[in-house]
Amino acid sequence: DVKVTQSSRYLVKRTGEKVFLECVQDMDHENMFWYRQDPGLGLRLIYFSYDVKMKEKGDIPEGYSVSREKKERFSLILESASTNQTSMYLCASSRRDVSETQYFGPGTRLLVL
Amino acid sequence: DAKTTQPPSMDCAEGRAANLPCNHSTISGNEYVYWYRQIHSQGPQYIIHGLKNNETNEMASLIITEDRKSSTLILPHATLRDTAVYYCIVRPGFPYNTNAGKSTFGDGTTLTVKP
Repeated sequence: DVKVTQSSRYLVKRTGEKVFLECVQDMDHENMFWYRQDPGLGLRLIYFSYDVKMKEKGDIPEGYSVSREKKERFSLILESASTNQTSMYLCASSRRDVSETQYFGPGTRLLVL
Repeated sequence: DAKTTQPPSMDCAEGRAANLPCNHSTISGNEYVYWYRQIHSQGPQYIIHGLKNNETNEMASLIITEDRKSSTLILPHATLRDTAVYYCIVRPGFPYNTNAGKSTFGDGTTLTVKP
């Protein structure tokens, strides 16, 4: 079974803090993704990565950065957290094959005060 | 990526088959149909996917019409634990998916399984 884990299920931070969200997958997948999910807006792609040290912007990269130093780990960084970044953050991974089925982690619910 | 249309909600009796429809009339030839579900406050769970042929796995069956403009996810014996939001997504696979990951998870169908 594919396993995608995220460092925290719930996180509370203050405005202006630097926030790190970690994601680890154990299936040697090439692709990894960060989404945020908000009511009425569905899932929106923040960043994705095809390989180690590679990153591509998704639909809403502003205010975020990412790091992929190892194949199994993909980090999302909020340089200076703001209240509009309060959301559910979801990590996913997929193998680079014809179908590229994505497998998701349990999510991190972030509250920025 | 092609857009999908799903009913906002459905009910199903426990033990009966749940049939969840999805319309994707603008699907193109290299786009797969994927189904995921999301139980409250958890990450989406992959269920099944297909290109042209009907597919079955331990969780569900996927029926794709011959013109590929619609599909149905079938949960053969729904249980209370199948209560969730079900998402139907279409997008190309590699190497056509130049925007890998830009799956559009819309509002989905909220399936409520009742005792």
